[in-house]
Amino acid sequence: DIVLTQTPLSLSVTPGQPVSISCKSNQSLLHSGGTTYLCWYLQRPGQSPQPLIYELSTRFSGVPDRFSGSGSGTDFTLRISRVEAEDVGVYHCMQSLELPRTFGQGTKVEIK
Amino acid sequence: QVQLQESGPGLVKPSQTLSLTCTVSGGSISSGSYYWSWIRQPAGKGLEWIGRIYTSGSTSYNPSFKSRVTMSMDTSKNQFSLNLNSVTAADTAVYYCARDSYGNTWYPFDYWGQGTLVTVSS
Repeated sequence: DIVLTQTPLSLSVTPGQPVSISCKSNQSLLHSGGTTYLCWYLQRPGQSPQPLIYELSTRFSGVPDRFSGSGSGTDFTLRISRVEAEDVGVYHCMQSLELPRTFGQGTKVEIK
Repeated sequence: QVQLQESGPGLVKPSQTLSLTCTVSGGSISSGSYYWSWIRQPAGKGLEWIGRIYTSGSTSYNPSFKSRVTMSMDTSKNQFSLNLNSVTAADTAVYYCARDSYGNTWYPFDYWGQGTLVTVSS
């Protein structure tokens, strides 16, 4: 199975400040067709996960452009350009390259 | 708007079978290109993919669950189901159903249910 490791596991940020979350894979998520199959989800407190990013850097419909995904191969980053109060929760990365689908441990984001 | 809703017993005894159903509204589970998945999350832990069933009824399971898991569809009720047998306390978790959909590419887990807590205890 593909193992995804997220860092940090938690962070506290001031509203309006940027945030970066890392997700590292133990094998490349680059498909031979050129697409990188890495996704990001946000799980707000008490809620189910909601989709943010798929195929490394494409935002799902309705996701604000302050969220961006980047990286290549085995190292990936989710960035929030200016954190807002509604961004609190746990961020999960997930690989959709192969089965079984696997997730990172999650990164908890809190607002100071 | 597509909605998914999990249902089933909240308490299951050890060694018995956990059975959950996901009811889909706002679209047919058997038309179009969709994968319907089950995912679980033990308290305070990460997400774990259990398996999925395709629009056609074909299934794929996480090998971690070996032969304990079975998924099925009931198109007449627009539902799909999860059976996990020989449960132990380690199977205590919030269970989610979720959908992959295909447009010009695959959109992984674009819709999720609200989740249902299943506790395994005698």
